[in-house]
Amino acid sequence: NAGVMQNPRHLVRRRGQEARLRCSPMKGHSHVYWYRQLPEEGLKFMVYLQKENIIDESGMPKERFSAEFPKEGPSILRIQQVVRGDSAAYFCASSPQTGTLNTEAFFGQGTRLTVV
Amino acid sequence: KQEVTQIPAALSVPEGENLVLNCSFTDSAIYNLQWFRQDPGKGLTSLLLIQSSQREQTSGRLNASLDKSSGRSTLYIAASQPGDSATYLCAVLRSNDYKLSFGAGTTVTVRA
Repeated sequence: NAGVMQNPRHLVRRRGQEARLRCSPMKGHSHVYWYRQLPEEGLKFMVYLQKENIIDESGMPKERFSAEFPKEGPSILRIQQVVRGDSAAYFCASSPQTGTLNTEAFFGQGTRLTVV
Repeated sequence: KQEVTQIPAALSVPEGENLVLNCSFTDSAIYNLQWFRQDPGKGLTSLLLIQSSQREQTSGRLNASLDKSSGRSTLYIAASQPGDSATYLCAVLRSNDYKLSFGAGTTVTVRA
């Protein structure tokens, strides 16, 4: 059973470009959570999605950021018109149908975004 | 709002010494607390999960305690080894919630 898979592991974008980060949850998990880790800071919650639904996006910046989890395929975190302040590690976690991380939380390896 | 603090921010010890890492949280209405290890440029590896009804969890050389009423957890690593060098993160899940609140981590260096 493969763990949470994120790709790419590293992504370099120029200012103004778009960044697309992908997350495939663990098999049997239908809930996905995205977190962002800024340098020297703890991970911060961004968004919680179920298949075809955004449940909670309270941690997402109001502009340029969007997330989806389609019926088929991975969850996508999309950042439009990236700026240097978007440089961070973005982590994805998944959980089974209960929708709560009431068991051990499983995280992916993260995508490290660098905006130049 | 749940605030999670980890002290110290960094720790350097000689090999063989025991490590004590502290985590405090402001809202005691938690569902569980989890300790993670993060290696430079890598993802998070779950080390121990303590449910709110538990006082401690052990795995090998690792032992984590939880005092919910005082809002504290401590991670003990016995007989440290250079391979234990990493950043250790504490994360708290509040009751009736799904968002983990993370501390900023303690970066540990074990000197050979």
